[in-house]
Amino acid sequence: NAGVMQNPRHLVRRRGQEARLRCSPMKGHSHVYWYRQLPEEGLKFMVYLQKENIIDESGMPKERFSAEFPKEGPSILRIQQVVRGDSAAYFCASSPVVGTGGSPLHFGNGTRLTVT
Amino acid sequence: AQTVTQSQPEMSVQEAETVTLSCTYDTSESDYYLFWYKQPPSRQMILVIRQEAYKQQNATENRFSVNFQKAAKSFSLKISDSQLGDAAMYFCAYMTAGNMLTFGGGTRLMVKP
Repeated sequence: NAGVMQNPRHLVRRRGQEARLRCSPMKGHSHVYWYRQLPEEGLKFMVYLQKENIIDESGMPKERFSAEFPKEGPSILRIQQVVRGDSAAYFCASSPVVGTGGSPLHFGNGTRLTVT
Repeated sequence: AQTVTQSQPEMSVQEAETVTLSCTYDTSESDYYLFWYKQPPSRQMILVIRQEAYKQQNATENRFSVNFQKAAKSFSLKISDSQLGDAAMYFCAYMTAGNMLTFGGGTRLMVKP
């Protein structure tokens, strides 16, 4: 049973380019969360999605960042016109149906984005 | 908004000894969940232990146990018989509705042979 799959593992972009990070949740999981981890810091919530819906994007920067989770295919975190401050590790996590509460999130291994 | 605080940026323990990592949180909710995650250099986030706030009994997973003090909003992690493989960053996390996690800033644990 494959876990949460994120790719690429490492991504290098020059300032002004676009970065696309992909996340395939665990089989049977329909809820996806994106987190960002700056060096030597904890993970910060960015966005929570279900299939074709953004449930909570309160942690997303208002500009340049967007996320989607289409009916088919992986969830995508897209960063347009990257700047050096976007350099970080981006983690995706998934969970099964939300309702009972307290289900641990299963994390992918993250994508390390480096902006040069 | 909920906040999670880990006041120890770094901790060190001798192999086979016991170490306790501190965590406090702030919330007005009565029903929530608390977690400890381990992050080794590989960057993988590994669930260590989980605690339901409505349960008074402290969670235990083999060498890992917690001291959950709900009134004090404290959730410390005790690692017994420390092993070299326990060396990692440890993150305390709080979860409420929507399964969204709020993380503390982390504690780096070093294990001395």
